[in-house]
Amino acid sequence: TQLLEQSPQFLSIQEGENLTVYCNSSSVFSSLQWYRQEPGEGPVLLVTVVTGGEVKKLKRLTFQFGDARKDSSLHITAAQPGDTGLYLCAGGYSTLTFGKGTMLLVSP
Amino acid sequence: GAGVSQTPSNKVTEKGKYVELRCDPISGHTALYWYRQSLGQGPEFLIYFQGTGAADDSGLPNDRFFAVRPEGSVSTLKIQRTERGDSAVYLCASSPGGGTSGGFGRKETQYFGPGTRLLVL
Repeated sequence: TQLLEQSPQFLSIQEGENLTVYCNSSSVFSSLQWYRQEPGEGPVLLVTVVTGGEVKKLKRLTFQFGDARKDSSLHITAAQPGDTGLYLCAGGYSTLTFGKGTMLLVSP
Repeated sequence: GAGVSQTPSNKVTEKGKYVELRCDPISGHTALYWYRQSLGQGPEFLIYFQGTGAADDSGLPNDRFFAVRPEGSVSTLKIQRTERGDSAVYLCASSPGGGTSGGFGRKETQYFGPGTRLLVL
């Protein structure tokens, strides 16, 4: 069974701060996805990374896939209250394996 | 177009009862997935349909859980003799095609519904 460990579990910051959350595994993943989930909603796909060492940017969000394809990070620059949510990483194709997520709270 | 819809949005039942949860995928999506998300956890895979057939049901926790997709569109997750430990959010997702192409592309992107919150008293 492939497991994904996410850290930190919870992060509370002020608007304008930068942050990084991590997703780690002992297994190699052919691709990793990052999702954001808001209360009462299903997860929404943010990005998919497939190549070791790949970096993708989505506005203020920067995603990196480790060279060995065992880990990934999400960096948010100048966080805003609208970034609040549960950030989940997931690996696999048809049947996704999810981490437990990082709950991010950005206060005004 | 419409996204994935799930009904009911909330379900409260008593221990031992039978429940059915419904998922309407995005029109034209051939693949459909069920996940369960407990409080403080990420979603956990239950079952995956490609068309009408269950391509992978390895995530179903026991034989009290069963899912069908008779016409390759709407799916129903059925739970018999519910237990308090079944309380969770049940998420459904659909994707345009199956995830067997060997590479992750648009066909494999899963779109999630809002979930059904099941509470077993």
